Amino acid sequence: KAGVTQTPRYLIKTRGQQVTLSCSPISGHRSVSWYQQTPGQGLQFLFEYFSETQRNKGNFPGRFSGRQFSNSRSEMNVSTLELGDSALYLCASSLTPSDRGATEAFFGQGTRLTVV
Amino acid sequence: AQKVTQAQTEISVVEKEDVTLDCVYETRDTTYYLFWYKQPPSGELVFLIRRNSFDEQNEISGRYSWNFQKSTSSFNFTITASQVVDSAVYFCALSDPGEGGADGLTFGKGTHLIIQP
Repeated sequence: KAGVTQTPRYLIKTRGQQVTLSCSPISGHRSVSWYQQTPGQGLQFLFEYFSETQRNKGNFPGRFSGRQFSNSRSEMNVSTLELGDSALYLCASSLTPSDRGATEAFFGQGTRLTVV
Repeated sequence: AQKVTQAQTEISVVEKEDVTLDCVYETRDTTYYLFWYKQPPSGELVFLIRRNSFDEQNEISGRYSWNFQKSTSSFNFTITASQVVDSAVYFCALSDPGEGGADGLTFGKGTHLIIQP
């Protein structure tokens, strides 16, 4: 059974640009969550999607957005990149959304974004 | 609001020693879920265990064991006879669906465990 796949693994962008990250969940999983990991703030919840609908969102500016497709694959977009957006972005998939009781979330290897 | 505290930033032990990673959580809800994840240098978070708030039984899985105590809001993780391959960052996390819908997992800052040969 394939795990969670995130692409690309590494990305370098210039301040002001926008970026799109992709996540393919484990087959059969319909819930996809995104997290940002930085040395200073640690792991922070960005948003969660289930059946193409955003279930909840963390405390991030509107520059951070996402979507989920009918095949459960998800993308997140960051517009007008800032230096502080440099981070490891992790995607997690699970069978059910977290507000229905938390099942195990399985994480991908992440996308390392560097903004210069 | 929920919060997870891992007071130990870094722990270094010699191989074969036992080591305990501490986790203290805060939540106002009576239904919640606790997790431990391992993050090796490759980056992905590896799921280790999930516990719901109604199950205070301790759990043992091979060299790993977990002690859940609601009275002290703690969910500690012990590795017995540590091995070099156990070196990683370990995260404790909380999911609290009761507070207006869960905001995913709330993670502690992590404990960097170094096992020296």
